Amino acid sequence: AQRVTQPEKLLSVFKGAPVELKCNYSYSGSPELFWYVQYSRQRLQLLLRHISRESIKGFTADLNKGETSFHLKKPFAQEEDSAMYYCALTGGTSYGKLTFGQGTILTVHP
Amino acid sequence: DAMVIQNPRYQVTQFGKPVTLSCSQTLNHNVMYWYQQKSSQAPKLLFHYYDKDFNNEADTPDNFQSRRPNTSFCFLDIRSPGLGDAAMYLCATSRPGGGYEQYFGPGTRLTVT
Repeated sequence: AQRVTQPEKLLSVFKGAPVELKCNYSYSGSPELFWYVQYSRQRLQLLLRHISRESIKGFTADLNKGETSFHLKKPFAQEEDSAMYYCALTGGTSYGKLTFGQGTILTVHP
Repeated sequence: DAMVIQNPRYQVTQFGKPVTLSCSQTLNHNVMYWYQQKSSQAPKLLFHYYDKDFNNEADTPDNFQSRRPNTSFCFLDIRSPGLGDAAMYLCATSRPGGGYEQYFGPGTRLTVT
């Protein structure tokens, strides 16, 4: 069975502070990990995926297979980063079925 | 802009009264998904289509069914809604070879009275 855990439901930081949203997963094979984001009154959208190894809007995430983690990081948070963030996994099941974590609401205070 | 559209955005139905939610896409993606998201919970996959090939999740209640008459449209039918079916329903699409990125619609919020 595959599972994604985001231990923090709420995370608050001040503008300019570093932010880290935690994600741990359970999967027996080689997973593909994603971060999806939902800004206020907008649809859920892909932020980044581990296979791309890219930085989007200043966010990065590294897959750590030893710790089964895929934490999302940004060195200097901005107010516009305030949103709901979901970590998600697809584990090679047919057609890219996603298993989502419970989500973390990030609030960046001015 | 190519996108995923869901109608209606808000739907109110009565307990036990059948309801249909619709999703359309202009992305020409092969795969379409329906997720249920209850308050403060993660989206949960109900089923998906790969072209006309229907795939039901093992724990999706029989009360939920789906139709995909063509590439662009997909419907979610709830035969006898219960109070526990009140949720946000999300439609998403993806294409093979697209790195499994899913494109989501805005969702339909279903209320059962």
